[in-house]
Amino acid sequence: DAGITQSPRHKVTETGTPVTLRCHQTENHRYMYWYRQDPGHGLRLIHYSYGVKDTDKGEVSDGYSVSRSKTEDFLLTLESATSSQTSVYFCAISESTGGTFADTQYFGPGTRLTVL
Amino acid sequence: KQEVTQIPAALSVPEGENLVLNCSFTDSAIYNLQWFRQDPGKGLTSLLLIQSSQREQTSGRLNASLDKSSGRSTLYIAASQPGDSATYLCAVYTGTASKLTFGTGTRLQVTL
Repeated sequence: DAGITQSPRHKVTETGTPVTLRCHQTENHRYMYWYRQDPGHGLRLIHYSYGVKDTDKGEVSDGYSVSRSKTEDFLLTLESATSSQTSVYFCAISESTGGTFADTQYFGPGTRLTVL
Repeated sequence: KQEVTQIPAALSVPEGENLVLNCSFTDSAIYNLQWFRQDPGKGLTSLLLIQSSQREQTSGRLNASLDKSSGRSTLYIAASQPGDSATYLCAVYTGTASKLTFGTGTRLQVTL
């Protein structure tokens, strides 16, 4: 299994609270991704990174920001959590041989976030 | 806009059966297609990646085929086992949109 950890694994928070989720990899892969998974919507891309300090928006980026100051860490921040952001969040990584999205993606175990 | 459909949504088979899972996509101009499995409460595990120039990929009891012109891929699982029970997802990358487009998955149960 690819060396990807996510923290925390579970979190319950209140509406309006800032929340930061962390993804840490030990594979030295260039590309990192944040997804959310919701019933009826499948997996949707929030943000992705193609290098240190290089990030871009995905299809559902409103209300989320990211940062990548080191190759191994990719942080997802909910500036002011809302109930619609209750979801399971997955981090993924991929190698650089084919470019962003072009190679096999390896997923972390997920973070279950509940916003009350 | 790329759309990915997986039918059936759920499937139950007895142990030992060979089975086929289907994935169809609307835009045939894909760069690659990936198959994943997801166990309950877990992340996705990559099974196979097929490049657009390939017709199939094999890994153990799994064989994935790709027919770009018809917008279809199939995942063949030979001699199914209870440990194969999981949700299977396919995802396509078109090379132009900055994302993978995922199907909603087929939930497979292999019974004893």
